[in-house]
Amino acid sequence: GAVVSQHPSWVICKSGTSVKIECRSLDFQATTMFWYRQFPKQSLMLMATSNEGSKATYEQGVEKDKFLINHASLTLSTLTVTSAHPEDSSFYICSARLAGLLSGELFFGEGSRLTVL
Amino acid sequence: DAKTTQPNSMESNEEEPVHLPCNHSTISGTDYIHWYRQLPSQGPEYVIHGLTSNVNNRMASLAIAEDRKSSTLILHRATLRDAAVYYCIRPDKLVFGAGTILRVKS
Repeated sequence: GAVVSQHPSWVICKSGTSVKIECRSLDFQATTMFWYRQFPKQSLMLMATSNEGSKATYEQGVEKDKFLINHASLTLSTLTVTSAHPEDSSFYICSARLAGLLSGELFFGEGSRLTVL
Repeated sequence: DAKTTQPNSMESNEEEPVHLPCNHSTISGTDYIHWYRQLPSQGPEYVIHGLTSNVNNRMASLAIAEDRKSSTLILHRATLRDAAVYYCIRPDKLVFGAGTILRVKS
């Protein structure tokens, strides 16, 4: 099956700094990728939809200036948490599906655990 | 409302079948139902999906009600490695509910 890879798998940063998380589709092209956030013992919450070559679409309540998304190629989307604070500590997960299949299988990355001190 | 409804948790004995239910009463005629599972500190993993007919793959079976308002994921012989949180979702809506925590006892 298709593979989605995230990097880094975990990161610790100081409050006020910015952190970039990469999401790559390794063996397929993804015009659309999705970013989720998951707090401990909670479900995944969709943050935004990343579209190759255009602006991301953010879910209600998600600050687009704080969570910068760039989808510059068909295999790479990045999420930058700007001016991170302890409340941004969470498990960030990306997913993608094969182009053109709205109901197709979602392929998820391994997740990136962010801890902000 | 795109959310699905699942029991919070279920428990099974190893080597026994497990039936995980999901209600999706607002589903329309063309919406697929997908199942994923998530192990601790990992991203979700695809399990199975279907539209109207029952589906089988190497991991599980999916039984879809005739009115399509509910479905059941069937693990034929649960193993300890099947212990996870199981989510049923509509992939077009990308909304995850709380899922079902499956515990498998040896």
